[in-house]
Amino acid sequence: DTEVTQTPKHLVMGMTNKKSLKCEQHMGHRAMYWYKQKAKKPPELMFVYSYEKLSINESVPSRFSPECPNSSLLNLHLHALQPEDSALYLCASSRGLAGPNEQFFGPGTRLTVL
Amino acid sequence: AQSVAQPEDQVNVAEGNPLTVKCTYSVSGNPYLFWYVQYPNRGLQFLLKYITGDNLVKGSYGFEAEFNKSQTSFHLKKPSALVSDSALYFCAVRDIITGTASKLTFGTGTRLQVTL
Repeated sequence: DTEVTQTPKHLVMGMTNKKSLKCEQHMGHRAMYWYKQKAKKPPELMFVYSYEKLSINESVPSRFSPECPNSSLLNLHLHALQPEDSALYLCASSRGLAGPNEQFFGPGTRLTVL
Repeated sequence: AQSVAQPEDQVNVAEGNPLTVKCTYSVSGNPYLFWYVQYPNRGLQFLLKYITGDNLVKGSYGFEAEFNKSQTSFHLKKPSALVSDSALYFCAVRDIITGTASKLTFGTGTRLQVTL
């Protein structure tokens, strides 16, 4: 299985809602990533987990809260988001953080904040 | 920090013609370079990477890339373009954050439009 899956595909939420994005991979990868991508722009790294521990937080606002329950799952909890947070949220995984490992991306969750 | 630049926002090519999507890099040390493709409303798909060795790297879907150290370039190429190659292409470089942690730093992307 060489796939990264993400649910839901689309999400519309109000600024007072709490929601979660989910990501799953079964490739035995030990590094997992969350990216935010605006239209026609490159992905911006948000968080990196390595061996289920948060390794990199790119100064992301606290209204985004990542969680890695086990080596196959990655969640992104959302609370009190702003309209400017509307974007495509991409999950990715790789064998590890060290070394020139390519990342495998999921299809993304299209988030709209009203 | 390492960086890559994609000088062209868009590249237009006729089907059957060769295509080149340009990327230049700025790194300290040996570069690890990647190409990804993104189709509309989809995630990024890995095409190929350069680590060391042969300057010509072959990847998925008939794409290849040429690493040129003297010109600090890593251009993506395909001998014969297809309409289905139309997509957004990102060049990326591995950027060391700490001793063991690294991330990908992406270029701004180049939209490839292949017409009949």
